[in-house]
Amino acid sequence: NAGVTQTPKFQVLKTGQSMTLQCAQDMNHEYMSWYRQDPGMGLRLIHYSVGAGITDQGEVPNGYNVSRSTTEDFPLRLLSAAPSQTSVYFCASSTGLAGLHNEQFFGPGTRLTVL
Amino acid sequence: QQPVQSPQAVILREGEDAVINCSSSKALYSVHWYRQKHGEAPVFLMILLKGGEQKGHEKISASFNEKKQQSSLYLTASQLSYSGTYFCGTVISGSRLTFGEGTQLTVNP
Repeated sequence: NAGVTQTPKFQVLKTGQSMTLQCAQDMNHEYMSWYRQDPGMGLRLIHYSVGAGITDQGEVPNGYNVSRSTTEDFPLRLLSAAPSQTSVYFCASSTGLAGLHNEQFFGPGTRLTVL
Repeated sequence: QQPVQSPQAVILREGEDAVINCSSSKALYSVHWYRQKHGEAPVFLMILLKGGEQKGHEKISASFNEKKQQSSLYLTASQLSYSGTYFCGTVISGSRLTFGEGTQLTVNP
């Protein structure tokens, strides 16, 4: 199993550009989420999903969109990139209907810089 | 509602003990503990659930005081490999897992 994979590993954008960060897991996990981590800070929840077709907002959803058309994939879209979105983005997944109360498996992260 | 962690940083010598605390102003369903090394993804340590159940991989102990909405992570006989940033995450209601700002632990020889 590859676990949780994220692409790209690194990305540089110009202000106003849009892009999609990819996240995929091969563990058949129902629960998936996106976090951002700024230097010296904790993990802040952007969006999460409890299953295919179901998504909801986290603490810092503005400027980001998500969709969950399959169990495996949970892409994060930046609509119009801003320097404030410079961060490391982590995708995570966990198992079962009570996935929130199980181990979260994190992907390796995407380091995004917006100029 | 972000949990509050203390201390923000701690420096130990190998073999010493440390306690990291996590508190919330609201009733908790569960508390999660993760460790992150520099440049890497967070790695699961333990979950403590309301009602007393615990799930964990490593030989690290923790407590969960449901009445006080507090959890503590106990690192005993620390090793160099324990160095990193420790995050607690909490579930208050719904499906959100929110993390604290982390506690940076440095273990020196």
